[in-house]
This record gives sequence, structure tokens and C-alpha cells, in this order.
Amino acid sequence: DSGVTQTPKHLITATGQRVTLRCSPRSGDLSVYWYQQSLDQGLQFLIQYYNGEERAKGNILERFSAQQFPDLHSELNLSSLELGDSALYFCASSVVGVAGAAQYFGPGTRLLVL
Amino acid sequence: AQSVTQLGSHVSVSEGALVLLRCNYSSSVPPYLFWYVQYPNQGLQLLLKYTSAATLVKGINGFEAEFKKSETSFHLTKPSAHMSDAAEYFCAVSGGGADGLTFGKGTHLIIQP
Repeated sequence: DSGVTQTPKHLITATGQRVTLRCSPRSGDLSVYWYQQSLDQGLQFLIQYYNGEERAKGNILERFSAQQFPDLHSELNLSSLELGDSALYFCASSVVGVAGAAQYFGPGTRLLVL
Repeated sequence: AQSVTQLGSHVSVSEGALVLLRCNYSSSVPPYLFWYVQYPNQGLQLLLKYTSAATLVKGINGFEAEFKKSETSFHLTKPSAHMSDAAEYFCAVSGGGADGLTFGKGTHLIIQP
């Protein structure tokens, strides 16, 4: 158990819909990262937040957005969902938000878009 | 841009044999390198990381990796494989202003009894 929690574990929805994935970082960690894992794209970095502020962007689509709240939990919002958005979405956290910091991953949210 | 190449999508070894999982990186700046393991239906667990303190890095579960700048490699080894080591292993790199990890495609480790 990494100490990072994600809800829900599974999510089934339809194309065109909007969903919100939630992540609570390890106690004391200030930085949160979101990743997408799919069979064709592998593991891809989406976005990073540090202490409530956006720190870095990866391959995140414009239909996707995220935020980190004052209590440091984070939400990833996926809208206008397409079949290709079906994937595992991981959240990770680290104490500091710098390259080289160990990132600890949550169990993931499995999204299925029908 | 940084990238990681993992040689061999599947590696099969006998129980008790040496495990060697290969990772080569490309980076224009001194990299930070990581190995993660993913068991079925679980998240990623950090095995070890290299952050320039020592070229030979020891991790959990008996794994270690050696950073070789001249070969741009960071191969993962374990002297004696155990059945519980069967999993997907990912090499990752970060650095150069990008804090997010860039992952390789993964290597599926199969342990034969």
C-alpha cells in the first residue's frame, strides 16, 4: 500500500459524457501527478500539480483538466469522452515537485467508455 | 526530449536464475532514472531510483541496477529469480525541467518453475 488513494476503482460511462477521478496523496506529499495507461499508448504523463498550482503538462488533451485543492487532494476531469479514452488512470504523489523525487502510485481508476 | 527503450517485451527465466532486464535512455541532461514494478490489477511500485549519488543502486526485493553513462544504460538485475517476481517492469526517466516520468513500454517477466 503506497498511501495514495484513488476513487472510484472502476468507472463505466458512455461516449460524450464527463467523469471526475479523485486522488488523495500520501500524507505530507505536496505534489500530485496524473498518468494514463493504455495498451496502445503505454504509460503517459498527463499533468502535475504542486501545492495547488499547475507545475507541468504532458500529453494531456484539451478535453481533460485537473486541479489540486487546498487539502492537496486532486481531481482529474475528463469530458466529451471517446472510446479511445478507455484506460487506467493513475495518480502519483511525491514530497517535493522536482525531477528525481520518488513518485508513489495509487491503485488506479479503470475507465471504460462504451 | 527524453526517452527510454526497454529491450525485450517479454523475458523468461527459470526460478533461481539471474534476472536481467534491459533499459537504455536518451537524455540531453543528466537523467534521473527509475524502475517500477506492476503486478496484475495493481498500481506501480517503486523498485529503485538513480539520482547521481552512486552508480550502483540497490532496491527492494533484492533488485539492483547499475547506471552506465558511457552506454546510456540502467539495466535491472536480481541474482536469483523467485516466482513472486513475475510481473511487468517499467524503466522511467525524468529531468531537464520535466518532472513527469517518461516510461518505457515495459518488460513482462515470466518465471518458469
